[in-house]
Amino acid sequence: EAGVAQSPRYKIIEKRQSVAFWCNPISGHATLYWYQQILGQGPKLLIQFQNNGVVDDSQLPKDRFSAERLKGVDSTLKIQPAKLEDSAVYLCASSSRLGSDTQYFGPGTRLTVL
Amino acid sequence: LAKTTQPISMDSYEGQEVNITCSHNNIATNDYITWYQQFPSQGPRFIIQGYKTKVTNEVASLFIPADRKSSTLSLPRVSLSDTAVYYCLVGDMGSGNTGKLIFGQGTTLQVKP
Repeated sequence: EAGVAQSPRYKIIEKRQSVAFWCNPISGHATLYWYQQILGQGPKLLIQFQNNGVVDDSQLPKDRFSAERLKGVDSTLKIQPAKLEDSAVYLCASSSRLGSDTQYFGPGTRLTVL
Repeated sequence: LAKTTQPISMDSYEGQEVNITCSHNNIATNDYITWYQQFPSQGPRFIIQGYKTKVTNEVASLFIPADRKSSTLSLPRVSLSDTAVYYCLVGDMGSGNTGKLIFGQGTTLQVKP
């Protein structure tokens, strides 16, 4: 079974630029999560989708971050414009159902904002 | 979701048993205890989950006392490849819940030869 795929693996941008991350969850997984992990900290949930609907985006900085999962499969997370403090690893995870006890994480995208 | 407290770091040697304890004094009746492992440059990976007493799988054991205010992850005979960050999470994983995970800082385990 293929795991969660993410791209790119690394991205370096200047502050105020835009960036987008892509995630392809495990086939058949209805729930998709985006996390931000700052160096030395645990992952922090940014947004959670159930199919193509948003379940929780309470910690998403909506003035600069956006995410979509239009067809209920792949998802894109965008930052526009980026700030220095956005430097982090962005992790995508999926689970088979809402409330599942197991989330499967991708390798993450390491973003550096200069 | 209950807050958890675990040691920031631990050191061990190859072949030893490692026990990482997590404190969760405000755990609710419906809450489960879940542990994740994260290697450098990878996303976290589910290790084990339990509600009470003892749970064992091919990777680890989880010990939960009767009051459920703490739990201990036990890794038997660790190897260098067990060097990772271990996260203890507490939350309602039952049906009707969103499955939201709140990660703390985790415990960095360093296994030495």
